[in-house]
Amino acid sequence: AQSVSQHNHHVILSEAASLELGCNYSYGGTVNLFWYVQYPGQHLQLLLKYFSGDPLVKGIKGFEAEFIKSKFSFNLRKPSVQWSDTAEYFCAVNVPSGSARQLTFGSGTQLTVLP
Amino acid sequence: DVKVTQSSRYLVKRTGEKVFLECVQDMDHENMFWYRQDPGLGLRLIYFSYDVKMKEKGDIPEGYSVSREKKERFSLILESASTNQTSMYLCASRSALPAETQYFGPGTRLLVL
Repeated sequence: AQSVSQHNHHVILSEAASLELGCNYSYGGTVNLFWYVQYPGQHLQLLLKYFSGDPLVKGIKGFEAEFIKSKFSFNLRKPSVQWSDTAEYFCAVNVPSGSARQLTFGSGTQLTVLP
Repeated sequence: DVKVTQSSRYLVKRTGEKVFLECVQDMDHENMFWYRQDPGLGLRLIYFSYDVKMKEKGDIPEGYSVSREKKERFSLILESASTNQTSMYLCASRSALPAETQYFGPGTRLLVL
């Protein structure tokens, strides 16, 4: 079965520190890749996505992610985090299943940014 | 803006009760999904529907059923609620076009006593 691994369950950083959250998936075919974010008390919302083309994808709020096919990875990065980035981050992979391509999610990474 | 709404934000039910969770989307999306979100486990797919009256089991369908009588509405049913179904339930919808984004509702936090 396909799976998505997020290696860090909880990351604590100070403001202005750089961020990298790991995401690896275990599917050998063509995939679509996503990072979703859930701010405290809010909806899950899309941060960025990769479908094809340039493997370096830029998202909202200064986030970016790089798809490295040979490593089955899609790590999320931000050069300088802010207190408002405190949230839970989920990596997801879109794999074919029946008549619809469903998302498989990682277990999430809770990011806490200290002011 | 896509809007996915869920009928309740918080729900408290007793063991053995039948529970209905409703989800409505306003973007004419073909695909709709029900997930449960638990700490340390991420989001796990319960059921999804790719069209009216069509449904497929996800990864954890046991103890749940679904109904999709109209395109905009997707209901999750707990036939006989149990304490291990205490969780956050998220609904999502997406266009059937390739490479489309899934949009999520605000979630329903269900407590089964």
